[in-house]
Amino acid sequence: EVQLVESGGGLVQPGGSLRLSCAASGFTVSSNYMSWVRQAPGKGLEWVSVIYSGGSTYYADSVKGRFTISRDNSKNTLYLQMNSLRAEDTAVYYCARGGAEYDSSGYYWYFDLWGRGTLVTVSS
Amino acid sequence: QSVLTQPPSASGTPGQRVTISCSGSSSNIGSNYVYWYQQLPGTAPKLLIYRNNQRPSGVPDRFSGSKSGTSASLAISGLRSEDEADYYCAAWDDSLSGGVFGGGTKLTVL
Repeated sequence: EVQLVESGGGLVQPGGSLRLSCAASGFTVSSNYMSWVRQAPGKGLEWVSVIYSGGSTYYADSVKGRFTISRDNSKNTLYLQMNSLRAEDTAVYYCARGGAEYDSSGYYWYFDLWGRGTLVTVSS
Repeated sequence: QSVLTQPPSASGTPGQRVTISCSGSSSNIGSNYVYWYQQLPGTAPKLLIYRNNQRPSGVPDRFSGSKSGTSASLAISGLRSEDEADYYCAAWDDSLSGGVFGGGTKLTVL
């Protein structure tokens, strides 16, 4: 079955760190664009980060310099290392397959497979 | 304030046709593909419409997408109670060099 399963969320104090994991099955993480998207309680979706099949990584301005996306090809797993966490980072974090691609008609920015999400709460 | 503007809410009765709008600009919807996601209560988002008007396999043909200029729309015909969910539009923004989501529309089936 093709699926994504996140883990690693929890309660952390402001300034703390947390590492999220996303185990993929049914497809190969390293051959796909993989992203993290978050959703604060009662709010909309916010893209966080992407790692492309070639290894390039990009981040939203809100997390740049604090979060690091990576993958372990041998474990077919995606990660998000989150440092210097702030209250505004509190959200459900979704792992998603997809990113941005381009053709002559423009960019397509898409996520065709999502995990169930893991809740990160930053609070003292 | 989202770059892509959606109405915060929409409603309809069973069997009715409803549309949800997504307004953007020349740097996003006007020059790139639009995607729509459905988020049922307490669940993860699911891709509903891709490349403006294409449906992934398994998505009923009651759902349709369209795009004109700098705006896009999601139409749901034959509304059902199970369609009650949040709907998000999304597109790449050339000016931001990044993707953006709309603020979401909560659809209520009366």
